[in-house]
Amino acid sequence: GESVGLHLPTLSVQEGDNSIINCAYSNSASDYFIWYKQESGKGPQFIIDIRSNMDKRQGQRVTVLLNKTVKHLSLQIAATQPGDSAVYFCAESRSGGYNKLIFGAGTRLAVHP
Amino acid sequence: NAGVTQTPKFQVLKTGQSMTLQCAQDMNHEYMSWYRQDPGMGLRLIHYSVGAGITDQGEVPNGYNVSRSTTEDFPLRLLSAAPSQTSVYFCASSPTQGSQPQHFGDGTRLSIL
Repeated sequence: GESVGLHLPTLSVQEGDNSIINCAYSNSASDYFIWYKQESGKGPQFIIDIRSNMDKRQGQRVTVLLNKTVKHLSLQIAATQPGDSAVYFCAESRSGGYNKLIFGAGTRLAVHP
Repeated sequence: NAGVTQTPKFQVLKTGQSMTLQCAQDMNHEYMSWYRQDPGMGLRLIHYSVGAGITDQGEVPNGYNVSRSTTEDFPLRLLSAAPSQTSVYFCASSPTQGSQPQHFGDGTRLSIL
C-alpha cells in the first residue's frame, strides 16, 4: 500500500552541526507534508509544513525541502542543539489539509555535545 | 489553557475487558482525532470527528468505538480488549477541518495482557 517512509532510523550529530532528516513518500496525490517532533513521553509537536505547490519553506532554524520529482521530503535543522534530540516524523495529507495524516515510521535524532 | 488532555496516562487491562480512553480539549476545536502508535511505526489514524455529533473511521478503526456528544470531549472505547491493541494512544485536535496543524495530547500507554 501507499505509505510515508524514512531512510534513516537514527541520526547522530554533533552539537552545532546541521542535521538533515529525509523522508520518502509514494502518493503523488498528497498535497500537504508536515514534520512533527516527538520527545520522550510526549505527543507529537508540529514543526513545519509545506504544500505541494512549494519546494522550500523556512522557519526558525528549520527548513523543509520538497522534491516532487522523486517524491522526497527533507527537514534541515541548523546549528543543532541538545534540545533538538527527539524522534522526527514526516506525515502526508491527501485531504487538502492537516487531517487524516499518514505518518512515517520516524527518525531518532541524537545530538552529542 | 490546558490544551489536549488525555486520561489515564497508563493502563493495564486483561484480554476481554472494556475501557474508555478520555480526551478533552479546552480550545473550542471542531476537529478531533485518535491515533495509535506502535513501536517502530508512525501514528495511525483510528477515528476522527469534524464536529459534535459527527464521527468517521480512519485507517485502523476495528475494535474501537467513538462518540462526540460535545465539542470538548472525544472518548475512545475498547469494547473487548485484545493484546493487539497494546499501544500508545494519542488524541489530537485542530480548530477547523484541514486549516491548521493538529495539537496532540501526551498519550495514554495501554497494555493488554
